[in-house]
Amino acid sequence: EAAVTQSPRNKVAVTGGKVTLSCNQTNNHNNMYWYRQDTGHGLRLIHYSYGAGSTEKGDIPDGYKASRPSQENFSLILELATPSQTSVYFCASGEGDWGNYAEQFFGPGTRLTVL
Amino acid sequence: GDSVTQTEGLVTLTKGLPVMLNCTYQTTYSPFLFWYVQHLNEAPKLLLKSSTDNKRTEHQGFYATLHKSSSSFHLQKSSVQLSDSALYFCALRRDTNAYKVIFGKGTHLHVLP
Repeated sequence: EAAVTQSPRNKVAVTGGKVTLSCNQTNNHNNMYWYRQDTGHGLRLIHYSYGAGSTEKGDIPDGYKASRPSQENFSLILELATPSQTSVYFCASGEGDWGNYAEQFFGPGTRLTVL
Repeated sequence: GDSVTQTEGLVTLTKGLPVMLNCTYQTTYSPFLFWYVQHLNEAPKLLLKSSTDNKRTEHQGFYATLHKSSSSFHLQKSSVQLSDSALYFCALRRDTNAYKVIFGKGTHLHVLP
């Protein structure tokens, strides 16, 4: 079964600080995604990647950067964290071709609190 | 642009009763629809998926039928269990970009004993 892990699982940061959320997948999927989940908004796409070295903006990229140094790893970076970025962040991986419905496999989530 | 609408934020039912969670979508392209389920403090997991018009798809007692004529993909179960309490997301593969999926806001299903 698909395996996506995230670290840290919980993080408390200060306003203006730098935060890096890490994601690792052992599925050999080309595509990886970062979402945030907030009550009343569902899952919103921040950044995604087609493969090592690529990053693309999702629907709410402002205030976030992403890095995909390898097939397995995809990081989300908050250069200057703000309280509005307090949320639960999910990483996901998946194949994206027309044949398999772009099903996504999610990690366990990271709960980030920015004070 | 593409969109997914889930009209109920919270559905509360007693165990053993049937349930239907609504999902409608909007897209100008051929749709691929999904239902994901997220139990408390867990990651979302795929429950159902479909791209075939008027064909019922089933998994773990849940079922849904994609109706392109009404742009709907409602999730149903004939008899809910306590373990079905969770957050359910309807999702649409958007545009011609097979890599991106748009999620609805989710419906909390709360099953009472």
